[in-house]
Amino acid sequence: DQQVKQNSPSLSVQEGRISILNCDYTNSMFDYFLWYKKYPAEGPTFLISISSIKDKNEDGRFTVFLNKSAKHLSLHIVPSQPGDSAVYFCAARSPRINEKLTFGTGTRLTIIP
Amino acid sequence: DAGVIQSPRHEVTEMGQEVTLRCKPISGHDYLFWYRQTMMRGLELLIYFNNNVPIDDSGMPEDRFSAKMPNASFSTLKIQPSEPRDSAVYFCASQRQPNTEAFFGQGTRLTVV
Repeated sequence: DQQVKQNSPSLSVQEGRISILNCDYTNSMFDYFLWYKKYPAEGPTFLISISSIKDKNEDGRFTVFLNKSAKHLSLHIVPSQPGDSAVYFCAARSPRINEKLTFGTGTRLTIIP
Repeated sequence: DAGVIQSPRHEVTEMGQEVTLRCKPISGHDYLFWYRQTMMRGLELLIYFNNNVPIDDSGMPEDRFSAKMPNASFSTLKIQPSEPRDSAVYFCASQRQPNTEAFFGQGTRLTVV
């Protein structure tokens, strides 16, 4: 049972435009959400996170939005750059087991120059 | 710090053989995680340790999989006997405390033929 879902396996965006990656979750106990970025032949690296007490967190070109009622979060990248081409994983954590992350299946983002 | 170090980077083995994957976590990190990345399930948690003690091994697919952490600086994931469906990228990650980000190694790409 996939508790964190990324329904788009891939996404292509023109350089300079906005990239929007989506993530849905089913476990209402999740209260902290993270995005990881993964380049080929490397391990995932932490990108940005958001607590459930917020609905938006911004870090430079990256913004994460959380809609708790819809159990949905999204990562916005603007403007998109060629170096953003990677696989993006959404992850969630519950306060009950707050050291453990549940990951989605990932979305491969390709930025077209 | 060198980060999380995994070895080998690539492993090709024949079905039925024993495979051992190795991980050195970041010094001072109390938590160590083993993940498996597949197209279908994304990043799947296999097992994790806190202070060298296994906490949750519910993600270990079968008895053929075992993991140990004999000390704070070393962990192994063993598959015996290996099967072609075990082919995947296996990641080790470490984390200082709950509610902090996890740092991933570069992964071991396992191919069982």
